[in-house]
Amino acid sequence: KAGVTQTPRYLIKTRGQQVTLSCSPISGHRSVSWYQQTPGQGLQFLFEYFSETQRNKGNFPGRFSGRQFSNSRSEMNVSTLELGDSALYLCASSLAVGGSSEQYFGPGTRLTVT
Amino acid sequence: SQKIEQNSEALNIQEGKTATLTCNYTNYSPAYLQWYRQDPGRGPVFLLLIRENEKEKRKERLKVTFDTTLKQSLFHITASQPADSATYLCALDSNSGYALNFGKGTSLLVTP
Repeated sequence: KAGVTQTPRYLIKTRGQQVTLSCSPISGHRSVSWYQQTPGQGLQFLFEYFSETQRNKGNFPGRFSGRQFSNSRSEMNVSTLELGDSALYLCASSLAVGGSSEQYFGPGTRLTVT
Repeated sequence: SQKIEQNSEALNIQEGKTATLTCNYTNYSPAYLQWYRQDPGRGPVFLLLIRENEKEKRKERLKVTFDTTLKQSLFHITASQPADSATYLCALDSNSGYALNFGKGTSLLVTP
């Protein structure tokens, strides 16, 4: 079974631009979660989608948004990029929402904002 | 505020010994607790899940305990090997049940 894939793997953007990251979950998984990982803050929850509905959102500004399609693929968008948005963005898929099911992570997208 | 605390100092142990990592939490009432392993530049990999009504769970050389009274989980790796060197993350389901919140992880270094 293919794992979680994320595209692109690396991205360099300029302050003020916007970016869209993509995540394809494991086949059959309907839950997709997004996380931001930085050395200082660790792994921080952004949002979780299940069956195209956002079930929960972390403590991030409205510049961070996401969506899930009917095939469970998900995208996240960050508008008006700031230097502090430089991070590893990880997507994870699972069979169920929340902590009742193990999550399978993709390799991440390394975003650098200059 | 909700907190998940893992020892920020790296744990250095000798090959063959048992490594014990700690995860403490406050202002959570988790129904589930999970442990993950993360290697540099890669996404976390799931290791074990334990439910609130389970005291202990084992998988090969790994053992997890979950004490909801102490609000603590211990993660043990027995007969540790250099290949076990990585960062280990604990994660709790949020009180809403719709998110998984991670600690910052503890780095483990196993030397031959």
